[in-house]
Amino acid sequence: DAGVIQSPRHEVTEMGQEVTLRCKPISGHNSLFWYRQTMMRGLELLIYFNNNVPIDDSGMPEDRFSAKMPNASFSTLKIQPSEPRDSAVYFCASTLGEGTEAFFGQGTRLTVV
Amino acid sequence: SQKIEQNSEALNIQEGKTATLTCNYTNYSPAYLQWYRQDPGRGPVFLLLIRENEKEKRKERLKVTFDTTLKQSLFHITASQPADSATYLCALDIPGTYKYIFGTGTRLKVLA
Repeated sequence: DAGVIQSPRHEVTEMGQEVTLRCKPISGHNSLFWYRQTMMRGLELLIYFNNNVPIDDSGMPEDRFSAKMPNASFSTLKIQPSEPRDSAVYFCASTLGEGTEAFFGQGTRLTVV
Repeated sequence: SQKIEQNSEALNIQEGKTATLTCNYTNYSPAYLQWYRQDPGRGPVFLLLIRENEKEKRKERLKVTFDTTLKQSLFHITASQPADSATYLCALDIPGTYKYIFGTGTRLKVLA
């Protein structure tokens, strides 16, 4: 397996634009997580899914953020409209379930100017 | 809510020495605690998992301890090498959920 695959690796966009980040989890994994990492706040959990169902989105900062998982092999995180303070590295991770290790993608570095 | 504290200051040690990193948490004890390594520009990579009923876990030069009374985990790297230089993150589960939350990490630098 190629591991967790995220795209794009880098995204530079202007304030107000819509941004969509994509994630392909490891095949067979049934939990998927979206994290945001900044120097100030570290790795923050935004939302996680279990068996494609959103379980907890309490970490999503604002209504501008939304996430979907239409099937077991694909998830998106959308920011609309984007703001400069959204600039961060966004990671997707997947696990086999509770009590198992998380496998992270390479991350998407988002810069909003 | 659960909080995780890791020493935010960088830890510099000499090659060959043992590095010890600390992870403290507040509130309830997790069912298990994990340690990850993160290199610049890359995602965290899993190293070790220890369960609440385990006191110690080892893997090659790595050792993790878990003290639920002190609400603390220690992560040791023995015979450290410059290649061990990275940021090390601890992560806890939130009981009853599938959530993992992470500490801010401690940057380790092993000097040759």
